[in-house]
Amino acid sequence: TQLLEQSPQFLSIQEGENLTVYCNSSSVFSSLQWYRQEPGEGPVLLVTVVTGGEVKKLKRLTFQFGDARKDSSLHITAAQPGDTGLYLCAPNTGFQKLVFGTGTRLLVSP
Amino acid sequence: SQTIHQWPATLVQPVGSPLSLECTVEGTSNPNLYWYRQAAGRGLQLLFYSVGIGQISSEVPQNLSASRPQDRQFILSSKKLLLSDSGFYLCAWRAGTGGGYEQYFGPGTRLTVT
Repeated sequence: TQLLEQSPQFLSIQEGENLTVYCNSSSVFSSLQWYRQEPGEGPVLLVTVVTGGEVKKLKRLTFQFGDARKDSSLHITAAQPGDTGLYLCAPNTGFQKLVFGTGTRLLVSP
Repeated sequence: SQTIHQWPATLVQPVGSPLSLECTVEGTSNPNLYWYRQAAGRGLQLLFYSVGIGQISSEVPQNLSASRPQDRQFILSSKKLLLSDSGFYLCAWRAGTGGGYEQYFGPGTRLTVT
């Protein structure tokens, strides 16, 4: 069983601040997805990273896959209240299923 | 484009009553289908997944069961609900063999067992 940790568990910041959340594991993965979930809704796919060291940008969000493909980070620049939600990482296990982290709950206050 | 539906959106059931949650996918064929449960403020726990009609893999022993009577229909059931079955139930699909690993989620069902 892969050990998957997301940190921090909870983050409360003011609008305009920058933040980084992390997803770490002791296992190597072939790819990894990041999702965002708003209260009462299903998670929405943000990005897939595949190559070690890969960096992808989605507007103010920057995703990085570690060189060894064991970890990933999500950096948000100038956070806005609309960024509020639960951020989940989900590495591909290669067995028809994903393993989801426990998530980072982000609250951005105006 | 593909869409995924779940119903009901919310459900309040007494302990010991049966359960049936339904999930349907449109716009794709032979998808992999998944049932997850999410406790308040927690991550997603995979309950069941299916790679084809009648094929169900169970991840967590419990009093729940799943069935896939049609290619794009996935049902989660229980004969007798427990208080611990309360939670947010999510259905998801991904492309079958040869597709990517991304999963796409339905809107969820909020189940409260009283």
